[in-house]
Amino acid sequence: DAKTTQPPSMDCAEGRAANLPCNHSTISGNEYVYWYRQIHSQGPQYIIHGLKNNETNEMASLIITEDRKSSTLILPHATLRDTAVYYCIVKYSGGGADGLTFGKGTHLIIQP
Amino acid sequence: GAVVSQHPSWVICKSGTSVKIECRSLDFQATTMFWYRQFPKQSLMLMATSNEGSKATYEQGVEKDKFLINHASLTLSTLTVTSAHPEDSSFYICSARRIYSSGNTIYFGEGSWLTVV
Repeated sequence: DAKTTQPPSMDCAEGRAANLPCNHSTISGNEYVYWYRQIHSQGPQYIIHGLKNNETNEMASLIITEDRKSSTLILPHATLRDTAVYYCIVKYSGGGADGLTFGKGTHLIIQP
Repeated sequence: GAVVSQHPSWVICKSGTSVKIECRSLDFQATTMFWYRQFPKQSLMLMATSNEGSKATYEQGVEKDKFLINHASLTLSTLTVTSAHPEDSSFYICSARRIYSSGNTIYFGEGSWLTVV
């Protein structure tokens, strides 16, 4: 699985959009970008994933650059409950049975 | 999203005893489940991959005789920590792989806190 790089921490004001960057310059053509978050003392929560097109769901939007070497997770209207560690993970989704490898993620702190 | 449930959420056991943690996929069948361990202020570390009907695959450095994994059905995997010691105290998290026509996504349980005294 390709390695990812994320800033260790970010602050965002409540009600504003939170934009979390992720670099994955060694991503291969069949690897997806997955985002999870972990709120303190809970299991990780799946947010969104994509291959090359931008994706949106009820939680967030995922913007993947055309060369696929980086991506941005966007929480459109951050709330205090969005404070968590956010993990960007690159993984082949075609059926491999490997578990996800977690890096250190980005600790997003939403400020009131 | 899919629901994965763990039980118990927290458990305290005496040193030398064994404790079992259950992981269930509530609304889908999972041929593959994963077990992680997380120490305070650290990231999740994969311990083992649990395959339904076959032996689990353990990551390097994880003792298979100490962390017994059973995946007897498509919706249940169990982790038994045998002869627990205080250093086994940790947050244990399971996940299950759900296969969609467009690929697969891994969903996580709520986690189980183990304290060995």
